[in-house]
Amino acid sequence: GENVEQHPSTLSVQEGDSAVIKCTYSDSASNYFPWYKQELGKRPQLIIDIRSNVGEKKDQRIAVTLNKTAKHFSLHITETQPEDSAVYFCAASKGYSTLTFGKGTMLLVSP
Amino acid sequence: SQTIHQWPATLVQPVGSPLSLECTVEGTSNPNLYWYRQAAGRGLQLLFYSVGIGQISSEVPQNLSASRPQDRQFILSSKKLLLSDSGFYLCAWGTGSPNFEQYFGPGTRLTVT
Repeated sequence: GENVEQHPSTLSVQEGDSAVIKCTYSDSASNYFPWYKQELGKRPQLIIDIRSNVGEKKDQRIAVTLNKTAKHFSLHITETQPEDSAVYFCAASKGYSTLTFGKGTMLLVSP
Repeated sequence: SQTIHQWPATLVQPVGSPLSLECTVEGTSNPNLYWYRQAAGRGLQLLFYSVGIGQISSEVPQNLSASRPQDRQFILSSKKLLLSDSGFYLCAWGTGSPNFEQYFGPGTRLTVT
């Protein structure tokens, strides 16, 4: 089955810096790649997603890039703010019903 | 717009007791439904998913079961809880083909003592 690796497990940045989280997937048939943000004690929230027919997608300060050849995708957050501090999960799907999640990245943004 | 509810929000149960967690979705019909478990500080483990009434797929063999008695209702059950069942239980609904987006409910925090 699909396997999703996510790095780093923890990322600390200063407010205003950029943050990048990277994921790799194993199944070349995967075609849907969402990113979730989970604040402490809360539910994961879908923040951005990308499909395999697109190489990059941007929404204000967050962007996701996809390299199908290398089978990796990344989340980019610019001008980080303390409220960006959370655990971020990447996931992949082959267009079936289920998502395979990475193990998560704890992002800490210091003021 | 779609809304997903879960209850109870928190639950403390002794080892060996039964469990029933409920999830309902409003504002959509025939959603895909999912149960996930998240242990403290860990990732998301898919337990069960359903693409329709009475259709349940199990991802992890364990002492839990799931049922979907109505289109927008998903129930997670156990006859006898184990200490290892403690965690944050999240229900999610999915849009299905062609988008397969998933949206999570508020979760139930279960502590087995």
